Amino acid sequence: DAKTTQPPSMDCAEGRAANLPCNHSTISGNEYVYWYRQIHSQGPQYIIHGLKNNETNEMASLIITEDRKSSTLILPHATLRDTAVYYCIVRTNAGGTSYGKLTFGQGTILTVHP
Amino acid sequence: DAGITQSPRHKVTETGTPVTLRCHQTENHRYMYWYRQDPGHGLRLIHYSYGVKDTDKGEVSDGYSVSRSKTEDFLLTLESATSSQTSVYFCAISKTPSGSATGELFFGEGSRLTVL
Repeated sequence: DAKTTQPPSMDCAEGRAANLPCNHSTISGNEYVYWYRQIHSQGPQYIIHGLKNNETNEMASLIITEDRKSSTLILPHATLRDTAVYYCIVRTNAGGTSYGKLTFGQGTILTVHP
Repeated sequence: DAGITQSPRHKVTETGTPVTLRCHQTENHRYMYWYRQDPGHGLRLIHYSYGVKDTDKGEVSDGYSVSRSKTEDFLLTLESATSSQTSVYFCAISKTPSGSATGELFFGEGSRLTVL
């Protein structure tokens, strides 16, 4: 699976949009981009994933560049409860030996302040 | 609620003792995973299972064994615990109606293990 690069930390004001970037320049054609977050002391929480097209759900939006080498997770109206470590992960959804395994990197610590 | 229960949630043990952590799911999903999380290392995959009696190693499997004798339970065993195995352990499942595994995992609340 392709490796990802994320900034170690970011700040965001409460109520504003939080835009978290992720670089995955070695991504291959069948690899998806996944985003997770982990709030202190809790298990990671799935947020969203996508292949080529932009995706939106009740939690966030995922914008993937046309060349697929980078993506941005957008939390449209950040709250204090969105303070967490955010992980960008790239993996294939193909069958075979992948078995749904995820490789987590260091992620981005997002701090939302009042 | 992902229907995952980990037990025990907290355990303190001594070096050399055996420890078993249990992950229980209520929804009959095929794929289950054990991760450990340590400062500076993030989450690392220990073992995973793709069916009853079907398991395989992850990236940090040394010192750990697993068993899955029924769909709902995935056990992680430390045969002889060492201080380096002090960590927070997370179980996860992959929920897929088709039976294949995607990257959408649901995690338990974690088991904090301290080995003295």
